[in-house]
Amino acid sequence: KNEVEQSPQNLTAQEGEFITINCSYSVGISALHWLQQHPGGGIVSLFMLSSGKKKHGRLIATINIQEKHSSLHITASHPRDSAVYICAGRESNFGNEKLTFGTGTRLTIIP
Amino acid sequence: GAVVSQHPSRVICKSGTSVKIECRSLDFQATTMFWYRQFPKQSLMLMATSNEGSKATYEQGVEKDKFLINHASLTLSTLTVTSAHPEDSSFYICSANRFRAGNSPLHFGNGTRLTVT
Repeated sequence: KNEVEQSPQNLTAQEGEFITINCSYSVGISALHWLQQHPGGGIVSLFMLSSGKKKHGRLIATINIQEKHSSLHITASHPRDSAVYICAGRESNFGNEKLTFGTGTRLTIIP
Repeated sequence: GAVVSQHPSRVICKSGTSVKIECRSLDFQATTMFWYRQFPKQSLMLMATSNEGSKATYEQGVEKDKFLINHASLTLSTLTVTSAHPEDSSFYICSANRFRAGNSPLHFGNGTRLTVT
């Protein structure tokens, strides 16, 4: 069993739909990251969360520390949002920046 | 914003040769850089942690003599795949943390797609 699990693995939606990607973790973490990987392979860091909620444009990320669960939401989805979204937990020990990655969610937005 | 540059983006080499991949932090100092490997449709797998001025820390199952890591300065880490074989064909990507930035955001290179023929 993976220590960081994402769902769904694949998601196809129509342009404009509200998207939710879930991430559950069983490891102790100091922060949780949401990453976006484009088809070419490049990875962009979207959010780093240790509590609560963050918003950037149409993207919203939330985390519930007690439930060990995080969600990434995309409002008014657009074809350019098509990518693989990865959550990653950063381990608790300060100075040890090792990440544990989820398996990713492949999102496809259809025009 | 912070940028991590990785070079080359794509390389094709013959079996038995060595390939060097560079990872540079362009506008910040990085005491630690991480090297990952990603197979098609799989998530990132940490290969090793590169520490400036000291030996790299390799993950279990990663051969340190095959994947040589050098982190000679606060802005450059290199990964050399020695005596490459077709099974080494993969996507390699680095990330870097800012110097003494604790829980800092992640900065990734754009990756290197290695094909060994």
